Parts: sequence; structure tokens; C-alpha cells
Amino acid sequence: KAGVTQTPRYLIKTRGQQVTLSCSPISGHRSVSWYQQTPGQGLQFLFEYFSETQRNKGNFPGRFSGRQFSNSRSEMNVSTLELGDSALYLCASSPEKYQETQYFGPGTRLLVL
Amino acid sequence: DAKTTQPTSMDCAEGRAANLPCNHSTISGNEYVYWYRQIHSQGPQYIIHGLKNNETNEMASLIITEDRKSSTLILPHATLRDTAVYYCIAGSGTASKLTFGTGTRLQVTL
Repeated sequence: KAGVTQTPRYLIKTRGQQVTLSCSPISGHRSVSWYQQTPGQGLQFLFEYFSETQRNKGNFPGRFSGRQFSNSRSEMNVSTLELGDSALYLCASSPEKYQETQYFGPGTRLLVL
Repeated sequence: DAKTTQPTSMDCAEGRAANLPCNHSTISGNEYVYWYRQIHSQGPQYIIHGLKNNETNEMASLIITEDRKSSTLILPHATLRDTAVYYCIAGSGTASKLTFGTGTRLQVTL
């Protein structure tokens, strides 16, 4: 099976811009989660989607949003980018039964200048 | 969710077994123990999980103590490619409870 794919892999934006990141889960996986990883804060949970519905949300401002499509593909959007949004954004998908058995993609590295 | 405690770093010689400990003394009865690892600049990789019994797969073995307050991940024959940060997580339910701590940085050396 193909793994989780994320596009783009690298992105450079400037403050104030917005960005959309894409994630394609493993075939058959309906749960998709997003994480932000920075050297200072480690790996932090952003949100989780299951069957097009946001099931859980982490402690991030409203500038961070996401959605999931009927084919389980997911996108996350960050509006009004700040320097502190520079991070590795990771997407993970899960088989239904064991939600913490997550399979991560390679991530999108975002640099905000 | 149960908090986990791991050593900050460990070294292991290539070819030897790497034994990574994890303490989860407040784990509840329905919480699993999960292990992930993250090789530099890549996404975390699922390794193994267990509830009460010891588990083994093609990557590693997981030994959970009878009182479930601690566990050990065993990489039977460590290679240089096993150099990574290893995360031990205790949780159940959904992804929001998947809390990655600081993990153990395993350095495998020649």
C-alpha cells in the first residue's frame, strides 16, 4: 500500500500570507490528523478528522483550520501567517479500530519570512 | 492520559540489542502503550503497541511489566539506521490523546 503523502514538501511564505497544505491518507484509512512540530514545542496535535467531520481539535488559534473530503483526503489552512508558524506540519492517518496506530507522512516544511 | 517518562538519550553499539525503557506509572486499565520513532526530519514511524501482554513484530519487541507501570522496547540487533528519537506514549481513544513527549534519542554507533 502507498503511504501517506503530503504536498508540497517545502514551502516558503511571508508574514500575512495564507497557506494550504494537502494530505492523502493510506487507502482505506478514514481518520486523518494533523500535527505541528517545532524544535521548541515538539510535536503538537492540531486537529483530527473522521468521515469529513472534525472530531478533535488541539489548542491552536482559529487561523489554523482544516477539512476532509469524501475520499478522506485532507487539507489544512493557515491564514495570516506569523513567523512562529514556521514548522514541520505532519499528517497522519489511522485505521478505524486503533486510533493511535497512526501512520505519518513525510511532512511539509513551512518557512515563514 | 498517563504521562510517560523516558531517558533523554541512550547509546547502543551496532549489532547489539537496544533496550529502551519507559515509565508510565499512572496508566489506566484501558490505555495502550505505543512506541513510535522519528528519524531526523522525517515523520514519526509507528513501531509497536500493547496492552498487557508482551508483543513482537518484525521491528521490535515490547515488554510490559505485570503491573503495567513500565515497559521496555527492544530492538534486537540495532543498526545505524535505528538512530532516531523514540517516543513512548500511553493512551486510548482518538488522536487528540496522542501526546508525544520528548522521547529518547538513541544513537547507534559502530
